[in-house]
Amino acid sequence: DGGITQSPKYLFRKEGQNVTLSCEQNLNHDAMYWYRQDPGQGLRLIYYSQIVNDFQKGDIAEGYSVSREKKESFPLTVTSAQKNPTAFYLCASSARTGGIGETQYFGPGTRLLVL
Amino acid sequence: AQKVTQAQTEISVVEKEDVTLDCVYETRDTTYYLFWYKQPPSGELVFLIRRNSFDEQNEISGRYSWNFQKSTSSFNFTITASQVVDSAVYFCALSEAGDGGSQGNLIFGKGTKLSVKP
Repeated sequence: DGGITQSPKYLFRKEGQNVTLSCEQNLNHDAMYWYRQDPGQGLRLIYYSQIVNDFQKGDIAEGYSVSREKKESFPLTVTSAQKNPTAFYLCASSARTGGIGETQYFGPGTRLLVL
Repeated sequence: AQKVTQAQTEISVVEKEDVTLDCVYETRDTTYYLFWYKQPPSGELVFLIRRNSFDEQNEISGRYSWNFQKSTSSFNFTITASQVVDSAVYFCALSEAGDGGSQGNLIFGKGTKLSVKP
C-alpha cells in the first residue's frame, strides 16, 4: 500500500530536549512538507523540500530543523529553541515540485506534548 | 488579511439536513487552484477536490457538491443529506503562483468544524 507514515503517534518532550518526528513516503513523490496545527487554527507551513538535499523555510520555521537525505524521508526536529512546541504535526507530500495546483497528500500526524 | 477565509468556525446540524460550508479566497493571480480537505477526528487530512481557476463548472460527487464562483471569489462546499460520518473539520486551501520558491504551496483557511447529530 502506498502512503505516508508518521511516527510516533504521540511524543512527549521534556524541557530543553530536542525531539525528532519521522515522516516516510513510498509514493515516489518529489516534494515533502511539514505543517503545524494548533487548536482552532489552520495548518501553518514549517518547512518544505522540493528535492533531495534541499529544503526551504516556511512561515514558522524558527525552532525547527529538517533534513532530506533520501527522497522517501523528511524528518523534523523540534529543538529546545521552540518555546511552545505543543501541537499536532502533519507531514505531506506531492508528486511534483515547483508548480501550482499540486495535490498534497497527508500522513496521520504526530501529537507532541510537553512534560 | 487572510487569503482564505472560512467564516463559519463551527456548524451543527441534524442528520439528513443539507449543509453548506463557505470559503472565500483572495488572490491577484489569474491561474490558481482551490482545494477542500476533510479532517476526521483521527487527524489525517483527506483530499476531497481540486479545482483550477479556469473551470467554473460546479462539481457533484455523490452527496458532495462544490460551487465555484470567481465573481465572488468563493468556493463553497455542500453536503446533501448529511450523515454522522460527515462530522469532521473541513479545510479550504488555495494554491497560487506566489513569489519565488513558495510557488504552489497551499494556503489553508482556519477550518470549519461540522458536527452532525443523529
